[in-house]
Amino acid sequence: EIVLTQSPGTLSLSPGERATLSCRASQSVSRNYLGWYQQKPGQAPRLLIYAASTRATGIPDRFSGSGSGTDFTLTINRLESEDSAVYYCQQYGGFPRTFGQGTRVEIK
Amino acid sequence: EVQLVQSGAEVKKPGESLKISCKGSGYDFSTYWITWVRQVPGKGLEWMGVIFPGDSDTRYSPSFQGHLSMSVDKSTNTAYLQWSSLKASDTAMYYCARHLAVAGYNHYVFNIWGQGTMVTVSS
Repeated sequence: EIVLTQSPGTLSLSPGERATLSCRASQSVSRNYLGWYQQKPGQAPRLLIYAASTRATGIPDRFSGSGSGTDFTLTINRLESEDSAVYYCQQYGGFPRTFGQGTRVEIK
Repeated sequence: EVQLVQSGAEVKKPGESLKISCKGSGYDFSTYWITWVRQVPGKGLEWMGVIFPGDSDTRYSPSFQGHLSMSVDKSTNTAYLQWSSLKASDTAMYYCARHLAVAGYNHYVFNIWGQGTMVTVSS
């Protein structure tokens, strides 16, 4: 099983700043099959990124994904108040699919 | 509109059985895997397993295998998650989700989600 470790646990930033979220895998993720989600309280997760760096339909270009192998990053530029949420990575390079434990982004 | 609609919240006692549902619409239900995801209150997302409605092929996470079962009814475009004997530790929100297909290629991330079914198990 691929274990995904996200860091930091919480990010507290001001509007307009940049957030950098890390997702590290315990072994290489096949074909860089890694996605990122945003989840707000009381809502289902929303897909942001798939295949490590491809934005899902309707996702603003402030959100970008990068990385390969075992190290992946989600970057959120020009933070807005609506970006306050928990962000999860998920690998689909092998079974079982697994999620990271999440990074909470707080907007000051 | 492509959507997944889940059954309503449940309150059960330990040892009771339960079956919750996830009904798909707006797409060919038989050709997309349905995944189940658990979220304990205040905690993260856990991938439980997946079922292919076309032939009921099922893959479970080792963390959940043996404690629950997944099934589908193609005639009603509905997937099910079932427990025969609930535990207090099963208290959670359960989501069903459908994977992303882009240009005929499948990415097993989830862009369509049900609204979630909250299951509370308490004596």
